[in-house]
Amino acid sequence: EAQVTQNPRYLITVTGKKLTVTCSQNMNHEYMSWYRQDPGLGLRQIYYSMNVEVTDKGDVPEGYKVSRKEKRNFPLILESPSPNQTSLYFCASSGTNSPLHFGNGTRLTVT
Amino acid sequence: AQSVTQPDIHITVSEGASLELRCNYSYGATPYLFWYVQSPGQGLQLLLKYFSGDTLVQGIKGFEAEFKRSQSSFNLRKPSVHWSDAAEYFCAVGASGGYNKLIFGAGTRLAVHP
Repeated sequence: EAQVTQNPRYLITVTGKKLTVTCSQNMNHEYMSWYRQDPGLGLRQIYYSMNVEVTDKGDVPEGYKVSRKEKRNFPLILESPSPNQTSLYFCASSGTNSPLHFGNGTRLTVT
Repeated sequence: AQSVTQPDIHITVSEGASLELRCNYSYGATPYLFWYVQSPGQGLQLLLKYFSGDTLVQGIKGFEAEFKRSQSSFNLRKPSVHWSDAAEYFCAVGASGGYNKLIFGAGTRLAVHP
C-alpha cells in the first residue's frame, strides 16, 4: 500500500529538548516536504526536498532543520523546541504528475 | 503573493442536503487546484484535483468541483451529504504553477446534522 509514515503520532516535550519526527514514504517519490497546521491558518510549508541531498526552506522554516540522506526518508528536527512550535505536523511526498500524498500527522506539544 | 480563501469557517448541513464549499484563489495563470479532506485525527486525503481540461472535475466519495477562471473559484459540491462527510475541507493551489508545493486555505469545518 502506498503510504507516508510519520512517527510518533503524538509527542509532548519540554522547551529546549531536541527532538526528531521521522517520515518515510514507499512510493519512490523524489519530492518530500513538511507542513505545519494551525487553527485558522491552514497548512504552511516548513521545508521541502526535491531529491536526495537537496533541501530548501519553505514559508515557515525558523526553528526547524531537515535532512534527506535517503530518498525514502525525510526527518524533521527541532534542535531547541519552543512553545510556539506546538502544532500538528504533516509530512508529504509527490512524484511526477502525482499530487501530494500526506502522512497521518504528528501532534506536537511543547511545554 | 498567491493565496487561497475559504470564506466559510464552519458550515452545518442536514444529512441528505446538498453541499457547496467555496474556494477562491489568486494566481495569474491557470493553476493546479486541489481539495483535501481531513477527518478527525486523520491525515489529509485528496478528494479531487484540477490540472487542465474539463473544468468540472469528479472526485472520490461523490464530490465534484468546478473551476471557473473568470471568478478565480474552485468550489466543491456534493448533491447529498452523508453523516460520514463531517470533516474539515481544505482547498489548495499549486504554488508558482506547480503541484509539489501547495498553498492552502484556512479550511472549512463541515458538521452534518441527522
